[in-house]
Amino acid sequence: KNEVEQSPQNLTAQEGEFITINCSYSVGISALHWLQQHPGGGIVSLFMLSSGKKKHGRLIATINIQEKHSSLHITASHPRDSAVYICAVFANDMRFGAGTRLTVKP
Amino acid sequence: DVKVTQSSRYLVKRTGEKVFLECVQDMDHENMFWYRQDPGLGLRLIYFSYDVKMKEKGDIPEGYSVSREKKERFSLILESASTNQTSMYLCASSTDAYGYTFGSGTRLTVV
Repeated sequence: KNEVEQSPQNLTAQEGEFITINCSYSVGISALHWLQQHPGGGIVSLFMLSSGKKKHGRLIATINIQEKHSSLHITASHPRDSAVYICAVFANDMRFGAGTRLTVKP
Repeated sequence: DVKVTQSSRYLVKRTGEKVFLECVQDMDHENMFWYRQDPGLGLRLIYFSYDVKMKEKGDIPEGYSVSREKKERFSLILESASTNQTSMYLCASSTDAYGYTFGSGTRLTVV
């Protein structure tokens, strides 16, 4: 079983929809990252969380340390949000989820 | 703008060739990492380095080696490329647990 599980693996939404991507992990961590990877591109860091909630524009990330769970929300989704979103946790080293491929249709 | 630069975005190599993937960072980071990314498997750590001339095996080091002669440069070497090494390769650097910076990736195809 992977230490970091993401769901769903693939997600298709219509422009304007509210989107949630979930991440569950099984190890004790010091930080959780949400990363974004556009097609053919490198990876950029969206958020680093160790507790609570962070918001940046239309993106919101939450983490529940007790439940070992984090969510990434996108409000008013747009086609330019189409990308792979990756959850990563840092324990002794960085461990990655398999990613969620999001496609937002106009 | 600080960054991690991978020398090639796309590479096509023949089976048996020796392949060098180069990664350079300009942030004076101690730690550098090589990952490969495959559909459904996420990123898997191949090798990492915490200092010049120092290297440690990750989860899937077989068929790969690395070199870190200078702090800013971390090279991944495929001694004899095979078709199962066709993948996206990503380099990253960091100073601590919290700040990872990734390169743009090299998509390697071995034919």
